[in-house]
Amino acid sequence: GAVVSQHPSWVICKSGTSVKIECRSLDFQATTMFWYRQFPKQSLMLMATSNEGSKATYEQGVEKDKFLINHASLTLSTLTVTSAHPEDSSFYICSASQGSGFRNEQFFGPGTRLTVL
Amino acid sequence: GQNIDQPTEMTATEGAIVQINCTYQTSGFNGLFWYQQHAGEAPTFLSYNVLDGLEEKGRFSSFLSRSKGYSYLLLKELQMKDSASYLCAVRVNDYKLSFGAGTTVTVRA
Repeated sequence: GAVVSQHPSWVICKSGTSVKIECRSLDFQATTMFWYRQFPKQSLMLMATSNEGSKATYEQGVEKDKFLINHASLTLSTLTVTSAHPEDSSFYICSASQGSGFRNEQFFGPGTRLTVL
Repeated sequence: GQNIDQPTEMTATEGAIVQINCTYQTSGFNGLFWYQQHAGEAPTFLSYNVLDGLEEKGRFSSFLSRSKGYSYLLLKELQMKDSASYLCAVRVNDYKLSFGAGTTVTVRA
């Protein structure tokens, strides 16, 4: 159980275009989903936290107008990178939490590698 | 903010034991996680500590001292497949995770 999927697994796009990444919890309802970014040989950096049906909370330094997050249902959250530039090339990972339980554990998706040309 | 430190790299021989240390300075501490991450893949959960002491789980054990802001992950009977990055993550308040930069462990035959 507790499987999280992401789509696409990798994407290459031209500079200036927008890219949408989907994160789905397949066998549980995720009250909270998280979006992380990881540059090569660096750790995961939290970008934003989203709760179903409400606006996402962005971390300091993350532009909310550039990284649009929608969490319309308990099983789906989307991250749209608008007007992507080469510096946005990174590994984007989502995680989902049921919001309850002893560990209140986050289950991670397999990640999406974005390359902006 | 959170300040989480762990060594960058460690190398060990197959069958050996390796200990990865993690120190942290944070407010609102609410648990410490260890994750394993293979290159190009998402992190997978290894262990969780919220109280002081040792948690043992097969070949992997994790220790926490809250007063010292210190944890370690112990990997025993190392196997080649254990070559990966190991991430120390501190949970703040109820849900946010702050990750360390990760320790790359290389297991040699």
